[in-house]
Amino acid sequence: DAGVIQSPRHEVTEMGQEVTLRCKPISGHDYLFWYRQTMMRGLELLIYFNNNVPIDDSGMPEDRFSAKMPNASFSTLKIQPSEPRDSAVYFCASSFQEVPNSPLHFGNGTRLTVT
Amino acid sequence: EDKVVQSPLSLVVHEGDTVTLNCSYEVTNFRSLLWYKQEKKAPTFLFMLTSSGIEKKSGRLSSILDKKELSSILNITATQTGDSAIYLCAVVGSQGNLIFGKGTKLSVKP
Repeated sequence: DAGVIQSPRHEVTEMGQEVTLRCKPISGHDYLFWYRQTMMRGLELLIYFNNNVPIDDSGMPEDRFSAKMPNASFSTLKIQPSEPRDSAVYFCASSFQEVPNSPLHFGNGTRLTVT
Repeated sequence: EDKVVQSPLSLVVHEGDTVTLNCSYEVTNFRSLLWYKQEKKAPTFLFMLTSSGIEKKSGRLSSILDKKELSSILNITATQTGDSAIYLCAVVGSQGNLIFGKGTKLSVKP
């Protein structure tokens, strides 16, 4: 079991550029979550999917953020245009069943820096 | 609004000490509370608590839930430097998602 795989590990970009973060969940997990972590706000849920369908995107900050899950093994989180306040660690997580019936398994995160 | 508050925000102890981390919550239709440990990268799952008063234990770590007080504690006995991490508490929110507290940063000095 390779765990949740995220790429890239680090991303440094200039304000205004498009950023795409990628995630491969654990095979067989039906739920996929995108979280953002900052010192000030901790871990915040951005969006989550069940069987590739977005269920709750109320945490997506604004229209600059979008997420897709075209199939069971791949998801992207896109920020366009990026801003310095988007700098954070973005985590993808997956679970076999609906929370709380099974715990979340997190990827190692993508550290995004927007200058 | 669903909310999770952890205390203290940070803690420095010496090896061998016992520590208690606190988590309080406000959530509609509580179902469970979870503890995670975050070292340098991904949070890793420790415990899930659903029933009040029943202690979950794993080695030197233990946790208990008090539904009446809307809180949980995580105890670590005989701390080691490897216990240094951020400990995160989370509850299942009204939308079925996990809501995390900001965490307690534990530093264990040799």
